[in-house]
Amino acid sequence: GQQVMQIPQYQHVQEGEDFTTYCNSSTTLSNIQWYKQRPGGHPVFLIQLVKSGEVKKQKRLTFQFGEAKKNSSLHITATQTTDVGTYFCAGFWGKLQFGAGTQVVVTP
Amino acid sequence: NAGVTQTPKFRVLKTGQSMTLLCAQDMNHEYMYWYRQDPGMGLRLIHYSVGEGTTAKGEVPDGYNVSRLKKQNFLLGLESAAPSQTSVYFCASTTITTGQGAVRTEAFFGQGTRLTVV
Repeated sequence: GQQVMQIPQYQHVQEGEDFTTYCNSSTTLSNIQWYKQRPGGHPVFLIQLVKSGEVKKQKRLTFQFGEAKKNSSLHITATQTTDVGTYFCAGFWGKLQFGAGTQVVVTP
Repeated sequence: NAGVTQTPKFRVLKTGQSMTLLCAQDMNHEYMYWYRQDPGMGLRLIHYSVGEGTTAKGEVPDGYNVSRLKKQNFLLGLESAAPSQTSVYFCASTTITTGQGAVRTEAFFGQGTRLTVV
């Protein structure tokens, strides 16, 4: 069935460094969404991409949707301790299905 | 505007006991979902509903039942709890909008229910 795969599962980052997390789908996506879950919290919507090749920015976060609409990436520049949490991508195929997430740990 | 409210927030059950988790949303969303979250497993879809009176199975439906008698409520039931059902359960709701050839969704989550089965 349809699913999204995320890599890496864990990301240890030094404060100030950049990193990227990736999301890949087995089938074409109508849209891709990204969510952030802080430790002990619930997932919170960050952004949605719907167009092939789309790039959106939110301050230090850059989101990209692949040309074939089968993959997406989230790039964070100059990581801060406030970026700690788990980042999920999700695809919609009549129902919303999430990847396993990338857990981000930031070392000061 | 409360958004999505889950009750209870915490619960400890003995093996074999039953319980119902309640999810309520006040955003008039059509779609509602129940997920479970286990370490390293992400959010796995248990059951979902695309409207009042309808339900469908997700990835991990075994051992759970659901009902959507009212649009704003989505109930998750465990008939005979097992230790493997120890998890954090999240409810979410979304609405679907289409336009310019695109499908747009945004999920709103409840605060979660931490369930332990001993």
